[in-house]
Order: sequence, then C-alpha cells, then structure tokens
Amino acid sequence: AQTVTQSQPEMSVQEAETVTLSCTYDTSESDYYLFWYKQPPSRQMILVIRQEAYKQQNATENRFSVNFQKAAKSFSLKISDSQLGDAAMYFCAYRGSWNNDMRFGAGTRLTVKP
Amino acid sequence: ETGVTQTPRHLVMGMTNKKSLKCEQHLGHNAMYWYKQSAKKPLELMFVYSLEERVENNSVPSRFSPECPNSSHLFLHLHTLQPEDSALYLCASSQDSLAGPNEQFFGPGTRLTVL
Repeated sequence: AQTVTQSQPEMSVQEAETVTLSCTYDTSESDYYLFWYKQPPSRQMILVIRQEAYKQQNATENRFSVNFQKAAKSFSLKISDSQLGDAAMYFCAYRGSWNNDMRFGAGTRLTVKP
Repeated sequence: ETGVTQTPRHLVMGMTNKKSLKCEQHLGHNAMYWYKQSAKKPLELMFVYSLEERVENNSVPSRFSPECPNSSHLFLHLHTLQPEDSALYLCASSQDSLAGPNEQFFGPGTRLTVL
C-alpha cells in the first residue's frame, strides 16, 4: 500500500524568508499524482500545488514550488518570501493514476514569525 | 453557494443519539468522499462515491452509514457513536476521469464531539 511520510511535525520560518517542507512516499506505481494541501487554522483545506509523476519539470505556483525527485520518491514544498498568511497545516498527498484513493501524510504545522 | 459546503459546522451528540452530516458540492463533480481528521493523525478516507455508487469503504464501523442520493449531495448518518469518534469530518469532491490529476476540493468540515 502506498504511504506518505512527512517527517517534520512542525516548522517555523521568519516572514520574507524561505522554508522547505519535506515529504516522501512509497509506491510501486509508475504513474501517479502528488499534491500539497494547505489547511489554515479553522479554515478550509485548499490545494496549493500538484505534480504529475510523468513530468520531469518541477511544478511552480507563484511563491510555491516543489522539488520532485522520482527516483528518491521525494516531493518537497518550497515556500519563498513567506507571509503571515502562509501559517497553516500543510499536507502532502499521493494518488495513483487508476484509483481515487488519495493518501495523505500526517501534516506539517508551519508557523510564520513576524 | 460555491465550492463544497458542509452542515452543521459543529455538532455535539451523546452516544445514544442519531444525527446526520450533510455535504453539498456546487462544482459539477462526479465523485464525493468522506474523511475523518483526528489530531496528529493522517486523514483517514472513510467512503468514496463515484457516479453515486459507493466504490470504497475502508473498513469503517457500521455506526457510520453514508448516503449519496445524487452527485451533488452526500450524507453521513451517525448512530451509537463512541467518544473516540470525536474528530473533524471532511467532505471532498472531485471530477474523476481516466486522464487527469482529479484533485479533490474540500469542505470546511464538521467538528464532531461525542460525549
């Protein structure tokens, strides 16, 4: 079964600095999708960024980018120019191509210090 | 209303009560999901409905009973719950296709407390 591991329960970053959140996963599939979701305190979970495994180019969405290392089964999220509104729980998620069973990591709580 | 909505947002119930959680998606999606989110644990997928048919049930206790009357609505009927069932229950939807990431869109959740 696929598993997703986020080894950092908590991280903190100074406002305007850069932070990287780690995620590793275990799978025997070759085609799959990876996601980072953000869940602000008492607010809705929203999609931050996604990566298709068949694409070699790392996904980027404004200040958010990923470092996708397929061979290492690693999928880290980099947040540049951190803002106070980035403070949230961040979840890494995996979904195989042929099913709708999405597996989530345990999450990383990010604190942004002013 | 836009996106995925859930009602109620908070629910307190006794172990002998019967209650229902409601989810509605306004995105035209064809799949809906129930997740349980407990503190310091990964999200647990409970049920998946695709085209209104249940396609997955991850060994959830029978005291949780899902219902999907159409592609826009999803219910979770609760009865005889235990205190350990206290958690945030999240609903999500996606547009499932053979080719595509099919990312899920989440509702705000129902915070359930079982006394």
